[in-house]
Amino acid sequence: AQSVAQPEDQVNVAEGNPLTVKCTYSVSGNPYLFWYVQYPNRGLQFLLKYITGDNLVKGSYGFEAEFNKSQTSFHLKKPSALVSDSALYFCAVRDIRQAGTALIFGKGTTLSVSS
Amino acid sequence: NAGVTQTPKFQVLKTGQSMTLQCAQDMNHNSMYWYRQDPGMGLRLIYYSASEGTTDKGEVPNGYNVSRLNKREFSLRLESAAPSQTSVYFCASSETYTGTGNTIYFGEGSWLTVV
Repeated sequence: AQSVAQPEDQVNVAEGNPLTVKCTYSVSGNPYLFWYVQYPNRGLQFLLKYITGDNLVKGSYGFEAEFNKSQTSFHLKKPSALVSDSALYFCAVRDIRQAGTALIFGKGTTLSVSS
Repeated sequence: NAGVTQTPKFQVLKTGQSMTLQCAQDMNHNSMYWYRQDPGMGLRLIYYSASEGTTDKGEVPNGYNVSRLNKREFSLRLESAAPSQTSVYFCASSETYTGTGNTIYFGEGSWLTVV
């Protein structure tokens, strides 16, 4: 069975500092991995995804994520946080070999960026 | 750029009442989904429609029914609402269900309260 974990309910960072939001996954085969962001009272917006190729994936709003197969992780990063990055972030995974399954989402991590 | 549109945005129901959440997408996607979001539980899949004319249960289908009206529209019905169905509901769509790394695009959400 596939699963995804976001070990931190909340991440606090000062504006201008680098940020990391952690995600680990478990699949039987190779994964497709996604990050979404949700602003208050809004739907989820797609940030980036890893399918294959370079382990470092660049996405929207200056975010990037690094796929680490040995650690089964896909952490979201940004070199310099903005107050406007404050939101709820979701990691999602899908097993490449299980074509009949939808995305499985983590429980979300609230990012709070202080000025 | 409408994307995925769902209505209503807010609804208060009394226990036992019925209602239908409507969803339409204009991206010519084949697959559509209904998720619910509850605090601390992330997003859970209720039902999905891999293609027009098909629907399947997700992780938490009890108490719900769906209809894939045509390629654009996918509705979610609560036949007899219960307080446990108080949640935020998201409709989503993707190009295909089994395609390589398909991105799922979300609507803005429907806030449902059952009293």
